[in-house]
Amino acid sequence: NAGVMQNPRHLVRRRGQEARLRCSPMKGHSHVYWYRQLPEEGLKFMVYLQKENIIDESGMPKERFSAEFPKEGPSILRIQQVVRGDSAAYFCASSPYTGELFFGEGSRLTVL
Amino acid sequence: AQKITQTQPGMFVQEKEAVTLDCTYDTSDPSYGLFWYKQPSSGEMIFLIYQGSYDQQNATEGRYSLNFQKARKSANLVISASQLGDSAMYFCAMREDGSNYQLIWGAGTKLIIKP
Repeated sequence: NAGVMQNPRHLVRRRGQEARLRCSPMKGHSHVYWYRQLPEEGLKFMVYLQKENIIDESGMPKERFSAEFPKEGPSILRIQQVVRGDSAAYFCASSPYTGELFFGEGSRLTVL
Repeated sequence: AQKITQTQPGMFVQEKEAVTLDCTYDTSDPSYGLFWYKQPSSGEMIFLIYQGSYDQQNATEGRYSLNFQKARKSANLVISASQLGDSAMYFCAMREDGSNYQLIWGAGTKLIIKP
C-alpha cells in the first residue's frame, strides 16, 4: 500500500512565479490536510479538504494561496506570485476519516 | 497563548541513556489526542506514539513511552536506551476533537545522541 505521495520533493521558484504542490493521499483516504513548516519551527495548519470540498481553510493566507482536492486526481496546493517568505516545507497528510493522519515526505519550496 | 509548549530547543544525550522530551499543552476541549513525531535530517515526519485524553494507561511503543499527566497537562516523551539513529527533531502535537481534527504543533526539540 503506497503511502501519501507528494511531488515535487523539491521546487525552486523565482519571486513572482507560481508554485504547484501535489499530494496523492493513501488509497481509500478522502481527507487531506496541508501543513507548512518554516525553518526551525513546527508545522502550522493551512487547510483541510475532503473530495471536492474545502472544510477548513482558516490557516491559509487569504491571498495568493489556494487548495483543491478534485473528485479525480491529487490534491493541489497552489501559490501564486511567490515571495521569499513562502520558502518552507509543505506537508500533506491524509486520513480515511477524521482520525489518524498519515504524512507525506513533504515538498520543499525555495524562492530565489 | 501557546497551545503546545516544548521548552527544550535542544538536548545532548549520551548513547544508551534514557531521555525525556518535555511537552505541555493547553486545551479546554475534554476530548483530545496527543502525538509525538520524529523528523530526521532527511525531512520526513515519522509518527511515534499517540495518547488519547481518556486513555487510562500511558502509551508505549517499543522504546518510546509517553508520560501522560493529565492534571498537569503534560505529555512527555521518554526514549529508553537511546541510539545514534534517534538524533532528530521531535515534535509534540495535539488534536482537539472539536477542531476538524487538525493538529497543533509545538516548536520541536532537537535531540543529538553522542557516541
